[in-house]
Amino acid sequence: AQSVTQLGSHVSVSEGALVLLRCNYSSSVPPYLFWYVQYPNQGLQLLLKYTSAATLVKGINGFEAEFKKSETSFHLTKPSAHMSDAAEYFCAVSERNTDKLIFGTGTRLQVFP
Amino acid sequence: NAGVTQTPKFRVLKTGQSMTLLCAQDMNHEYMYWYRQDPGMGLRLIHYSVGEGTTAKGEVPDGYNVSRLKKQNFLLGLESAAPSQTSVYFCASSTTTGLAGTAGELFFGEGSRLTVL
Repeated sequence: AQSVTQLGSHVSVSEGALVLLRCNYSSSVPPYLFWYVQYPNQGLQLLLKYTSAATLVKGINGFEAEFKKSETSFHLTKPSAHMSDAAEYFCAVSERNTDKLIFGTGTRLQVFP
Repeated sequence: NAGVTQTPKFRVLKTGQSMTLLCAQDMNHEYMYWYRQDPGMGLRLIHYSVGEGTTAKGEVPDGYNVSRLKKQNFLLGLESAAPSQTSVYFCASSTTTGLAGTAGELFFGEGSRLTVL
């Protein structure tokens, strides 16, 4: 069964520092991969998605993620953190022959001034 | 544009009571989902629907029932609430899924916070 693992339930960075949120997937074939963001007391919204068109995917708010098949990873990065990036981030996977989206356990990002 | 609307947003139940959460979407999406979110466990799929009149079980379906009588609505029912069902429930909808050969974006409601005493 497909699954996704997010390493680190909490990540803290200083404003202006690099953001790196880790995600590894388990799937027999390259799946569709997503990053969603959840701000306090809100639903989730899509940051970016990988559908095999390009291994480096750019999303909203300056975030990007790189699909690495050899490492079964889809880590999320942003060169310079802003205070407004503080939120919970979820990696999700959907296999190409299913109609379900499975989420990771989430990583809470804190940004300090 | 309302998107995905969940009602109620907050509810407190006693053990054994029943209730229904309503999800309505105005985007004409085929696919709808119910997730629950618990600390440290992320979002877990309860039930989903690939079209009007169809439903399927997700990862954690026990204790819940669903119905999709109209394309725009997806109801989640708890027949006999238990404290373990205290959670935040999210509804989502999508135009396509991996089954269709594409990766559709899920649109989420703002959540319904349920407490079972």
